[in-house]
Amino acid sequence: EAGVTQSPTHLIKTRGQQATLRCSPISGHTSVYWYQQALGLGLQFLLWYDEGEERNRGNFPPRFSGRQFPNYSSELNVNALELEDSALYLCASSFGTLSVTDTQYFGPGTRLTVL
Amino acid sequence: QQQVKQSPQSLIVQKGGISIINCAYENTAFDYFPWYQQFPGKGPALLIAIRPDVSEKKEGRFTISFNKSAKQFSLHIMDSQPGDSATYFCAASTDSWGKLQFGAGTQVVVTP
Repeated sequence: EAGVTQSPTHLIKTRGQQATLRCSPISGHTSVYWYQQALGLGLQFLLWYDEGEERNRGNFPPRFSGRQFPNYSSELNVNALELEDSALYLCASSFGTLSVTDTQYFGPGTRLTVL
Repeated sequence: QQQVKQSPQSLIVQKGGISIINCAYENTAFDYFPWYQQFPGKGPALLIAIRPDVSEKKEGRFTISFNKSAKQFSLHIMDSQPGDSATYFCAASTDSWGKLQFGAGTQVVVTP
């Protein structure tokens, strides 16, 4: 069974540009989560989508946004890129919101570098 | 505001030794406490998890100890092996949150 996949693996942008990151969840999973892993800062929760709806949002500015498509895949958009947005962006998926103990399975991440 | 505090930041242990990582939390609404293991270049992978209705959970060489009154939980890695060298994250969550609140991570190095 395929795991969570993310694309692209690496992304290099310049300040002020927009970045789009994509995530395909494990088959059967309806929830998708986005986390930012900046160097030395651990994993910070960004967004949670379930059944196409945004369910929760972390403490990030509005220029971080996303959506979930009918096939449950998801897209994270970062507008007006800043240098501090350079990080590994991780996507995770789970069966849904029935129980918090539904394990979140992580993808390998997209390394975003802002120059 | 860091809701889950993890220590130590790094740990070096000899092969066969015990690795101990500690976490403390503030939010008493948390009811799910997983530990994730992350190797370089990979996403985190669930190692073991516990809910507050039990004080200890063991899976192979990995044990979670949970102290609800102290709002603390810890991971013990018994008989540490070089293949255990990774970064370990504790986390906490509630049903209504969906999100995992992660600790800062502990880099564990197991020397041969």
